[in-house]
Amino acid sequence: SYVLTQPPSVSVAPGKTASITCAENKIGSKSVHWYQQKPGQAPVLVIHYDSDRPSGIPERFSGSNSGYTATLTITRVEAGDEADYYCQVWDSSRDQGVFGGGTKLTVL
Amino acid sequence: EVQLVESGGGFVQPGGTLRLSCAASGFTFSSFEMNWVRQAPGKGLEWVAYISSSGGTIYYADSVKGRFTISRDKDKNSLYLQMTSLRAEDTALYYCARNYDSSGYSSLDYWGQGTLVTVSS
Repeated sequence: SYVLTQPPSVSVAPGKTASITCAENKIGSKSVHWYQQKPGQAPVLVIHYDSDRPSGIPERFSGSNSGYTATLTITRVEAGDEADYYCQVWDSSRDQGVFGGGTKLTVL
Repeated sequence: EVQLVESGGGFVQPGGTLRLSCAASGFTFSSFEMNWVRQAPGKGLEWVAYISSSGGTIYYADSVKGRFTISRDKDKNSLYLQMTSLRAEDTALYYCARNYDSSGYSSLDYWGQGTLVTVSS
């Protein structure tokens, strides 16, 4: 089955850039979506189709996808960006949705 | 404003049955594909089931196939998840989530706040 591998945690200082990766052998051939989830809240879509930002999402959030790795990048990180981040794809060979294990972003 | 409001969660014994509902408003429900996604306490997100806008196409995660049934009612603007033969590992917060588009590999652009299902003896 399709397994998306994310680092369990990433730490970054305020004002710096955070990169969260999502790895799989053929992820470059998939459309990758990213969700932000703060404690006690439902997930929020922050990037879809690799690099598109939904309405209302700050330009500080961006995404890329190539080869074995998709990356969510957050520039000028703020305390309010502290959250769990999940990547997600659709596995068309099995007709199933797949989420990565999630990455906890800590703002130092 | 798009709203998804789940209900029907609760405490159930192993082997029991529960039916979750998701009331949709603020958009043309019959035009959108829908999903159920769950999150066990302290764990990550797990996709559970998908249903097309017409209800004619349905997919399930392996972990729930044969036990859960997703359905929808366009007249009531509602999505459902019938859960049978419940196990302790089904304990989770269950979210309904809307597909952004009908591309076949869509993102989930709106989520409800979830309803908690606890399976325990």
